[in-house]
Amino acid sequence: LAKTTQPISMDSYEGQEVNITCSHNNIATNDYITWYQQFPSQGPRFIIQGYKTKVTNEVASLFIPADRKSSTLSLPRVSLSDTAVYYCLVGDFYGAGSYQLTFGKGTKLSVIP
Amino acid sequence: SQTIHQWPATLVQPVGSPLSLECTVEGTSNPNLYWYRQAAGRGLQLLFYSVGIGQISSEVPQNLSASRPQDRQFILSSKKLLLSDSGFYLCAWSVAAGGVETQYFGPGTRLLVL
Repeated sequence: LAKTTQPISMDSYEGQEVNITCSHNNIATNDYITWYQQFPSQGPRFIIQGYKTKVTNEVASLFIPADRKSSTLSLPRVSLSDTAVYYCLVGDFYGAGSYQLTFGKGTKLSVIP
Repeated sequence: SQTIHQWPATLVQPVGSPLSLECTVEGTSNPNLYWYRQAAGRGLQLLFYSVGIGQISSEVPQNLSASRPQDRQFILSSKKLLLSDSGFYLCAWSVAAGGVETQYFGPGTRLLVL
């Protein structure tokens, strides 16, 4: 599995765009990139998943450069309710079973009013 | 739509007592099922996963065990709890869409062993 590195914490003001970058230098050809959000005392919530270029849904955007050695989760106009821990995961989720997920410590995002 | 249930939400148990945590999934068939543990301030650690009834794989040696008696039921057990078993236990299920799997997590059970 590709090891991931992300900042331990980030602060942002309400209404700003937040970009959280994850490094995964050893990403393999079959690996996908997935981001989860976790609030205290709750299970992680799936946010977005991608393989290359850009993926966008109603919650966030995921930017992946051509070399795929990093990825950036972009949260538009954050609110206080976006305060949470964000996890970046990289793994071969294609068909073989994603039981090899490994969660690191994630990035604790604090949104300030 | 699919939903995942875990109970109890919170549990306080003495050292040496048995444990049984239950997880059920609705709205899907033959899901992959997972048990994770999250210690305070740390990431998630995969404990067990199952790709079918009666099929259990363990990721970490410990005094915990898992069973899958039914397609959508996953149980985490222990005969004798240790203090180090305290933590936040999460059950998850996964589905493959377009060949890519995504895991979805339950609400979790917070276990405190005293």
